[in-house]
Order: sequence, then C-alpha cells, then structure tokens
Amino acid sequence: AQSVAQPEDQVNVAEGNPLTVKCTYSVSGNPYLFWYVQYPNRGLQFLLKYITGDNLVKGSYGFEAEFNKSQTSFHLKKPSALVSDSALYFCAVRSPTDSNYQLIWGAGTKLIIKP
Amino acid sequence: ETGVTQTPRHLVMGMTNKKSLKCEQHLGHNAMYWYKQSAKKPLELMFVYSLEERVENNSVPSRFSPECPNSSHLFLHLHTLQPEDSALYLCASSQEWGSATGEQYFGPGTRLTVT
Repeated sequence: AQSVAQPEDQVNVAEGNPLTVKCTYSVSGNPYLFWYVQYPNRGLQFLLKYITGDNLVKGSYGFEAEFNKSQTSFHLKKPSALVSDSALYFCAVRSPTDSNYQLIWGAGTKLIIKP
Repeated sequence: ETGVTQTPRHLVMGMTNKKSLKCEQHLGHNAMYWYKQSAKKPLELMFVYSLEERVENNSVPSRFSPECPNSSHLFLHLHTLQPEDSALYLCASSQEWGSATGEQYFGPGTRLTVT
C-alpha cells in the first residue's frame, strides 16, 4: 500500500537553531512530493513541492526540502528557526501510477520553536 | 474575500440535528474538496467535485451529503451524526482535478463537535 510516514509527532527546536522535519514515503514510480503548514486556527498552506530536477527545492518562509530517492525521503529543513515557525507540518505525496493523482498525506508533525 | 472561506468556523450539534457546512472559493478553480482532519491522523479525503460533478466519494457514510451548486460553492450537509464524527472539516480547491503537480488551497476549517 502506498503511504507517507512522518516519524515524529513533535519536534522541539530552540530559536535560531536549524530545524528538520522528517518525511519518508512508499509509492510506486517517481513521486511528486509536497509540504504544507497549518498555523493554529488556520487551514493548510502550501510550502513547497518537488516535481523533477534539482533535489533541493526552496519554498516559502525560508524553508527548503531535499528529495532523496535512495532513502525515499523528503525532509523539510530551515537553517535558522523562528518562533513564528511553530505550527503543524504535513508531508504529502502523489504517485504517477495513480490516474487521479490523489494526495497521500502523512499524519503531521508538530513543530515547537522555543525562544 | 480572498482564497477559500468556510462557515461556520465552529459548530456544536446533537446527534439528531441537521446542519450544513458552507465553503466558497474566490480563486476561479475548477475542483473542490472536503477533508476530515482528526488529531494525529492523516487528512481523510471525503469528496471531490470537478466542474460541479462529483468525481470521488471515498466510502463516506451517508450521514454526510455533499452538494456543489456551482464551481465556487461547496456544501456538506450533516444529519444524525455520531460523536466520532467530531473533527475539523476542511474545504480545499485546486485549479483542476487530476493534476499531478498542482497544489491545493485550503479554507480555515469548521470545528465540529457532536454531542
């Protein structure tokens, strides 16, 4: 079965430190990968996506993610965390073998940035 | 109004009540979605409409009934719900259904509590 795993329910980082939110996937074919963020009392917002090309993709708010095909991972990173980055982060994947390209979602990782 | 709006933001209903959730998108998109978000679980896709035609119905109980009168509006009619239906219900839209690379735009959600 196709799936997305976000192995950490919660990640705690001190302000100014680098952060990583992990995502691994299991899908058929070369995946299309997405990160979304959900701030409190808000809907999800698109952050970035990998479709093809350079494995390192840059997105909104200084975030970036690296596609690693051999490890089937797409970890979200930021060099220096801000308190305002505290939110719920979702990884999602589409498989090219799905005719409807339905998004397969991870369960989310709560990121807490401490001052 | 811009983006995707949802009303009401909060709803408390008894198991015998009938209520409706409303979603409106101001983006000129052709596809609209209902998702159920429960804590620490992946988003569950409930229904998809493309150009006002339902294209996905992911084994959702009949106590949830969607309606899409036009490409900008989406409703979710609720009746005889169960306590386990308590969740955040998210509406989303995208430029088109079945796109491998397109992102979705989310509303802020309706927090539903069934008593």
